[in-house]
Amino acid sequence: EVQLLESGGGLVQPGGSLRLSCAASGFTFFNYAMTWVRQAPGKGPEWVSALSGSGGSIFYADSVKGRFTISRDNSKNMLHLQMNGLRAEDTAVYYCAKLRIGVRGILGGDTYVDLWGRGTLVAVS
Amino acid sequence: VMTQSPGTLSVSPGERATLSCRASQKISTKLAWYQQKSGQAPRLLIYGASTRATGVPARFSGSGSGTEFTLTISSLQSEDFAVYYCQQYNGWPLTFGQGTKVDIK
Repeated sequence: EVQLLESGGGLVQPGGSLRLSCAASGFTFFNYAMTWVRQAPGKGPEWVSALSGSGGSIFYADSVKGRFTISRDNSKNMLHLQMNGLRAEDTAVYYCAKLRIGVRGILGGDTYVDLWGRGTLVAVS
Repeated sequence: VMTQSPGTLSVSPGERATLSCRASQKISTKLAWYQQKSGQAPRLLIYGASTRATGVPARFSGSGSGTEFTLTISSLQSEDFAVYYCQQYNGWPLTFGQGTKVDIK
């Protein structure tokens, strides 16, 4: 079964740090770009960060650039998000997600989510 | 910016639901639709504006290109009452609409 399972969420004070992890299974992990998408309570999803299968191409939303770092360990089928300098507005459920890439490739942002994890709650207060 | 309308759509079971999504600039057909039920993660329904994802029932259809898009549910079933989001993927950053809630009339 294709599955994504997030961990590492919790309650943290403003200015603090958290590291989210996502364990992938059921597919050839290194073949796929991956992303983090967050959803604040009662709001629509907000894309946070993405990286290519090799990890060589990385993208961030302006709202997290310089504070968050995405990474992956293809030997362990793991995706990570290091979050530093957390703010109240970072409070959300964070989803790990698998990306499908279109003909224009990941550099062109031609990518959508075809599988979502269950999410992990990050509360900054 | 992706703008969805209406914010809430009240529909009786068996009726048709039509949801709209407008992009602030042309995105060709680089549009996906997701369904999210309460307490669950979103689920991919449509990509490429009109292609159903694997396992999605035929009552779901998508159309449009450029800046105007539509998701149609031909005959609402009880399991279709949820929030629906559109997302553009014509370039970074990926952006989502604010959602349309489909509830029971």
